[in-house]
Amino acid sequence: KNQVEQSPQSLIILEGKNCTLQCNYTVSPFSNLRWYKQDTGRGPVSLTIMTFSENTKSNGRYTATLDADTKQSSLHITASQLSDSASYICVVIPETGGFKTIFGAGTRLFVKA
Amino acid sequence: DAGITQSPRHKVTETGTPVTLRCHQTENHRYMYWYRQDPGHGLRLIHYSYGVKDTDKGEVSDGYSVSRSKTEDFLLTLESATSSQTSVYFCAISGKGQGWTTGELFFGEGSRLTVL
Repeated sequence: KNQVEQSPQSLIILEGKNCTLQCNYTVSPFSNLRWYKQDTGRGPVSLTIMTFSENTKSNGRYTATLDADTKQSSLHITASQLSDSASYICVVIPETGGFKTIFGAGTRLFVKA
Repeated sequence: DAGITQSPRHKVTETGTPVTLRCHQTENHRYMYWYRQDPGHGLRLIHYSYGVKDTDKGEVSDGYSVSRSKTEDFLLTLESATSSQTSVYFCAISGKGQGWTTGELFFGEGSRLTVL
C-alpha cells in the first residue's frame, strides 16, 4: 500500500532556530511531491513542489530536498519565526494521477519566543 | 486566496440526521474534491468531481454522497450522520491551466462537523 510517513509528529523550537522535517514515502512511481503548510483552523497551502528528477527546491526560508533513491524528502526551515507555527504536510502524487494523491499525517511545529 | 467558500463552517448535529456541506468556487476550476481530516491521519479523499455531473468515489466514500450540478458548486451529503463522521471536512479545487497530475490543490477553510 502506498504510504507517506512523516516525522517527528510534533516539534518545539525557539524563534530564530533552524529545523528539519522528514518525510518517507513508498509511493512509486510518482509524478511530484509537495509540501503544504496548514495554519490552525485553515486549509493547507502549497509551499514547494518537486518532480522525481529534482533534488532541491526553495521558497524563501523553506527548502525542500528529495532523494528518490531512498524515497525520502525533507523540509528545512531557516531562521524560524513565530508565524512558522503550523502543521507541515508532505504530499505525494502518483503517476496514476492527482485523484490518488496521498497525504502524510503532518508534523506540528511550535515556534516559541 | 483562491475563491473557495465552504458552508457551514461549523455544525453540530445528532446521529441519524442528514447533513449537507457546500463548496462554492469562483475560479472556474474543473476538478473539485472533498476530504476529511482526522487527528493522526492524513487528509483522506471522500469523493471528487471532474466536471458537471461527473463524480467518483475516493478512499473513504461509504456513508457519503456528492452532487455537482454547476461548475462552481460541489455538495457533500451525509444521508444519516454517525459519530464516526465527526471530522473536519475540506473542499479543494485544481485543474485550471494545469495538468491534473501535477496541479496544485487549493483548499477551502474547512467545515467542522460534530455528530452527537
